[in-house]
Amino acid sequence: GDSVTQMEGPVTLSEEAFLTINCTYTATGYPSLFWYVQYPGEGLQLLLKATKADDKGSNKGFEATYRKETTSFHLEKGSVQVSDSAVYFCALNNNAGNMLTFGGGTRLMVKP
Amino acid sequence: NAGVMQNPRHLVRRRGQEARLRCSPMKGHSHVYWYRQLPEEGLKFMVYLQKENIIDESGMPKERFSAEFPKEGPSILRIQQVVRGDSAAYFCASSPGQRSNQPQHFGDGTRLSIL
Repeated sequence: GDSVTQMEGPVTLSEEAFLTINCTYTATGYPSLFWYVQYPGEGLQLLLKATKADDKGSNKGFEATYRKETTSFHLEKGSVQVSDSAVYFCALNNNAGNMLTFGGGTRLMVKP
Repeated sequence: NAGVMQNPRHLVRRRGQEARLRCSPMKGHSHVYWYRQLPEEGLKFMVYLQKENIIDESGMPKERFSAEFPKEGPSILRIQQVVRGDSAAYFCASSPGQRSNQPQHFGDGTRLSIL
């Protein structure tokens, strides 16, 4: 079946550092890929998406490129802020039942 | 608020009681999904519904759990005879259609605690 693997956290960075959170997936066909962010006590918010190979999703300084050859969708940001501290989830939708398959989440902690 | 609305935000039940979780999708969305998040884990799909129909319940336990999305009113996730292992955050999401490239929009969840 489909699966998503994320790097384990927590990831601790200083403000203005460069961020990479790795995400790889296993799926048949051509899934759509998503990054969601979850702040404490809240639900998931869509951060960005990419729906086909080589697409780059971007939002609020975050970027991720759909790499079919490496089955990856790594999240990057050039300069993190304390307000970016949250849990980040990589997910795919393969339209097989229309469910989202999530990675385990990566907690990011940004220190001033 | 035009987002996905879930209530209650927190629910405490004793073992053996029933838990009812409600979800009103975003305006214009007719597809509803329920996910469960155990502590320090990712979300796991439970069930996918459209109005009055269960489309996919492959992630939902066969016993004690049921879901509905009636023609009028919110979607309901019902857990009968709750046990300690049911303690989790339950999230509802909605989308306007069933295309895989349409993102699902999530509510803030119901945190269920079983005493």
